[in-house]
Amino acid sequence: SQELEQSPQSLIVQEGKNLTINCTSSKTLYGLYWYKQKYGEGLIFLMMLQKGGEEKSHEKITAKLDEKKQQSSLHITASQPSHAGIYLCGADVISGGYQKVTFGTGTKLQVIP
Amino acid sequence: DGGITQSPKYLFRKEGQNVTLSCEQNLNHDAMYWYRQDPGQGLRLIYYSQIVNDFQKGDIAEGYSVSREKKESFPLTVTSAQKNPTAFYLCASRRGRGLSGTGELFFGEGSRLTVL
Repeated sequence: SQELEQSPQSLIVQEGKNLTINCTSSKTLYGLYWYKQKYGEGLIFLMMLQKGGEEKSHEKITAKLDEKKQQSSLHITASQPSHAGIYLCGADVISGGYQKVTFGTGTKLQVIP
Repeated sequence: DGGITQSPKYLFRKEGQNVTLSCEQNLNHDAMYWYRQDPGQGLRLIYYSQIVNDFQKGDIAEGYSVSREKKESFPLTVTSAQKNPTAFYLCASRRGRGLSGTGELFFGEGSRLTVL
């Protein structure tokens, strides 16, 4: 089965610092999704990556999918308190003709003003 | 506005009682999903459905049941067989069906179930 490992599990950074969160798969990723979650709330979609070497940016957040399509990274530049939350990566998995989305264990980010 | 509505937001139940969580979407999405989230953990897939009247077990289906009688509705029942039902439950939907079409999941705001 597809397993997604996220690292680090938690992160505390000073406001203004850059940070990177990684998502590693045991198998080739056919669709990789990044989401942000505030505690106790639903997930907010950030970006989707599908092609090897693909990179997307939105405001100060950049996500990349490596050429082998087994690892993705999420990079935040000049972090702000509004970036705090839980970041989750999800991936498409095809099993028995059906398509589902599995998620990693999440990375909890705290940004200290 | 289109979206996914989960209800209730908070639910308290006694041990041994069945509980049904509602999930309704007006996005005209074919696929719908139920996930469970425990403190400090990611999302684990319970059940998913690609089309009406068809659904598949996810990674932790034991103790749960679902139905998909209408395209816009995918209720989840937490049965008394679920050994540790206290958790945060998230419903999601997406475009596409089967192997064709991909796209991001759209999530509801979640339902927090506490079993006393």
